[in-house]
Amino acid sequence: DTGVSQDPRHKITKRGQNVTFRCDPISEHNRLYWYRQTLGQGPEFLTYFQNEAQLEKSRLLSDRFSAERPKGSFSTLEIQRTEQGDSAMYLCASSLDGTGQFFGPGTRLTVL
Amino acid sequence: QKEVEQNSGPLSVPEGAIASLNCTYSDRVSQSFFWYRQYSGKSPELIMSIYSNGDKEDGRFTAQLNKASQYVSLLIRDSQPSDSATYLCAVKPSGGGADGLTFGKGTHLIIQP
Repeated sequence: DTGVSQDPRHKITKRGQNVTFRCDPISEHNRLYWYRQTLGQGPEFLTYFQNEAQLEKSRLLSDRFSAERPKGSFSTLEIQRTEQGDSAMYLCASSLDGTGQFFGPGTRLTVL
Repeated sequence: QKEVEQNSGPLSVPEGAIASLNCTYSDRVSQSFFWYRQYSGKSPELIMSIYSNGDKEDGRFTAQLNKASQYVSLLIRDSQPSDSATYLCAVKPSGGGADGLTFGKGTHLIIQP
C-alpha cells in the first residue's frame, strides 16, 4: 500500500515564472487536499477535491493559484507569476470520505 | 476567524515520563480533532483522531477531548527520545461541505535522555 506521493520534491524558480506541482493520493482515497506550510507555522488549508469536484477553496488561494483533479485521481497545483512570498512547503493529503488525512512528503518551493 | 491555539514550547520532558500537550480551539461546532507529529524537515504524520468527549487510547498515546471547554490534549506515556518532534493539533469544522483542517502552530517536544 503506497502512500501519498508528490512531485517534484524541490523546486527553485525565479520570480514571475509559473510552476506546477503534482500529487498522487492513496489509491482508494476519494478526497484530496492541498496545504501550504511556512517555517514555524502549521499547515494552512488551500483547497480540496472530492473525486474530481473542487468543493472548498480558502481565501489564501489567490487568483494566481489553480488546482485541478481532472479524473478524480492525481491532482495538480499551479502557481502563476510566482512571488517571493509563495516560497513554502506545499503539502498534499488524501482521505477516504473525510476521515483522517494522510500527507505526502511535500514540495518545497523557493522563489528567488 | 477559526483558531487553534497551542503553546509553541519547547516542552522538555525526561525520558520515561509522561508528556502532556494541550490545544484549544475557537469554533464551538467543531466535531473532529486530530493530532499530527512532524519531525524536522518532514511532513505531518497522523497519530490520533478523536470525535467524542472523553479519552481515546492507542498504545502509548491518549487523546482527550472536552467540547464544553473547547480543549483537546495528547498524552504520551513512557516518552522516548524518538518522540522528540513538533506536535500539531488540527480541527475540522462541522458540516457546510467544509473539510479543510485548521492547524495550530504546533508544540515542539524534546525528550531528554
